[in-house]
Amino acid sequence: GIQVEQSPPDLILQEGANSTLRCNFSDSVNNLQWFHQNPWGQLINLFYIPSGTKQNGRLSATTVATERYSLLYISSSQTTDSGVYFCAVWYNDMRFGAGTRLTVKP
Amino acid sequence: DSGVTQTPKHLITATGQRVTLRCSPRSGDLSVYWYQQSLDQGLQFLIQYYNGEERAKGNILERFSAQQFPDLHSELNLSSLELGDSALYFCASSLTGSDTQYFGPGTRLTVL
Repeated sequence: GIQVEQSPPDLILQEGANSTLRCNFSDSVNNLQWFHQNPWGQLINLFYIPSGTKQNGRLSATTVATERYSLLYISSSQTTDSGVYFCAVWYNDMRFGAGTRLTVKP
Repeated sequence: DSGVTQTPKHLITATGQRVTLRCSPRSGDLSVYWYQQSLDQGLQFLIQYYNGEERAKGNILERFSAQQFPDLHSELNLSSLELGDSALYFCASSLTGSDTQYFGPGTRLTVL
């Protein structure tokens, strides 16, 4: 099956810093989503991005499907950005990466 | 608020018992998905339904079953529960079955 790897596993930032999270996948996929799981456990959809670039406020994402990776950019990070960021890909089923745990310190 | 509702929020039960988790998708969404999140296995896809029919199957145990009803709500039945079934169970929905998925708040199951 498809393997999904996320890096880094953990990231600690000061408020206001920028960061880049990476998701590599081992085979062609039909779609890709980025999610944020907040400290209360809620999974929030950030981007549906099988290819190309999208932006939503301080967040943006780029997927290069031919090279099998996606990047999530967080600019001017805030404490409310803390949580775990998951990349998930769909081929015949949904496969999640292990996540990047982000801690933003005030 | 994603628009996906799940009940109950918490469930505590004993080994060997059977429970039913319920999910109502966002208005207009035809597809429902079930996921399990545990500390050791991470987030795992269980099963997908589209307009009442099973569309995709993941790592769902034989002790688990699901269905999607004509009103599009879905139920996940877990039977002969084991300690290892303790987890957060998420339901998600999407419009077409191959687009953005929106997650419900989850049901936390504790098996004692």
